[in-house]
Amino acid sequence: GQNIDQPTEMTATEGAIVQINCTYQTSGFNGLFWYQQHAGEAPTFLSYNVLDGLEEKGRFSSFLSRSKGYSYLLLKELQMKDSASYLCAVMDSNYQLIWGAGTKLIIKP
Amino acid sequence: GAVVSQHPSWVICKSGTSVKIECRSLDFQATTMFWYRQFPKQSLMLMATSNEGSKATYEQGVEKDKFLINHASLTLSTLTVTSAHPEDSSFYICSARDGADTGELFFGEGSRLTVL
Repeated sequence: GQNIDQPTEMTATEGAIVQINCTYQTSGFNGLFWYQQHAGEAPTFLSYNVLDGLEEKGRFSSFLSRSKGYSYLLLKELQMKDSASYLCAVMDSNYQLIWGAGTKLIIKP
Repeated sequence: GAVVSQHPSWVICKSGTSVKIECRSLDFQATTMFWYRQFPKQSLMLMATSNEGSKATYEQGVEKDKFLINHASLTLSTLTVTSAHPEDSSFYICSARDGADTGELFFGEGSRLTVL
């Protein structure tokens, strides 16, 4: 079966760095997405990785290792507004998105 | 970036009534739109894939007669929850892809349905 695993909840301090991991097992691979979702709102796109390596976009970076079925989202210089759920999703061979359950990130002052 | 608009944002209805939710791509054409449901503190669950001009493809366990999907044009898909019951209360979100299958997925604002 297809499976996406990410931690349920993480806590970090304002100004610090946090890494959210995602491991996956899917039938085929056409890219991995990270989305941010604030409570009661729709998800917003953060990043898309299809090749191995690190993609940096401002305070956020996303890493992919296809051979290991592994990705992480790295958030630097954490701000209170970064408190949200972070969803990992993999696009399978049929171009369907398989969603992880999301990681709730709590930022403390 | 591309914009997807969803309406209404909030809806409260009585048990047994039907509710229609609209999803529009405002500045691009979307041959495919996706409908999700999200219960509190849970991830998105894909309900169905809406294809312009043809029948929607429903995920396993989703009742197609209860959740009617119509994708009549390249910019509009509708989800109708028929004979709604309290257990249908949820956050419904649509999304559309601008361009190729590997393109970014844009989400509507979501519609919170409460069935009394």
